[in-house]
Amino acid sequence: DGGITQSPKYLFRKEGQNVTLSCEQNLNHDAMYWYRQDPGQGLRLIYYSQIVNDFQKGDIAEGYSVSREKKESFPLTVTSAQKNPTAFYLCASRVQGGAEAFFGQGTRLTVV
Amino acid sequence: KQEVTQIPAALSVPEGENLVLNCSFTDSAIYNLQWFRQDPGKGLTSLLLIQSSQREQTSGRLNASLDKSSGRSTLYIAASQPGDSATYLCASEAAGNKLTFGGGTRVLVKP
Repeated sequence: DGGITQSPKYLFRKEGQNVTLSCEQNLNHDAMYWYRQDPGQGLRLIYYSQIVNDFQKGDIAEGYSVSREKKESFPLTVTSAQKNPTAFYLCASRVQGGAEAFFGQGTRLTVV
Repeated sequence: KQEVTQIPAALSVPEGENLVLNCSFTDSAIYNLQWFRQDPGKGLTSLLLIQSSQREQTSGRLNASLDKSSGRSTLYIAASQPGDSATYLCASEAAGNKLTFGGGTRVLVKP
């Protein structure tokens, strides 16, 4: 089945720790995105990548880092510099050029 | 900077009534507009994508219109059902290959 897989579904982070969220797609999409969603709010763009080995900051990139070493994978690291990381994180992908975007099922990150 | 607004934030209707969801955007130079559905604790499911050259798109009971000049899109859901209860989000794409999302409208369809 083609789609986007995010793991884990739930993640708990201690203060001062870095954690990495996984996003894998087998849709052969060039572009991949990471969004953050806070309760009752819309999605805010963290990072996006339009091609392997290249990525751009979104609107709220501080405290986050990404890599795009493979077309199908776009992991997001939430670093200790992110002071308020508790949120729902969503990964998306699509073919370049304004095509339909497809989303994973999300990872809920909680700081304990 | 593109801003996308969805009003109302929440909507409750009896089963069978038609739903009308609104989305407005500030920059009319968009490439497309996409509507999504989100169930609690889940990811987003794409409903309809309207390219900037199109006026509307239809899929089953769903119809979305786009008026770039006024900066508005409307999602119509005919004959609503309890299973339509969810949050509906719109997103516009402008230059830079980025989607800008509205805050969503939370819909409850009462049996």
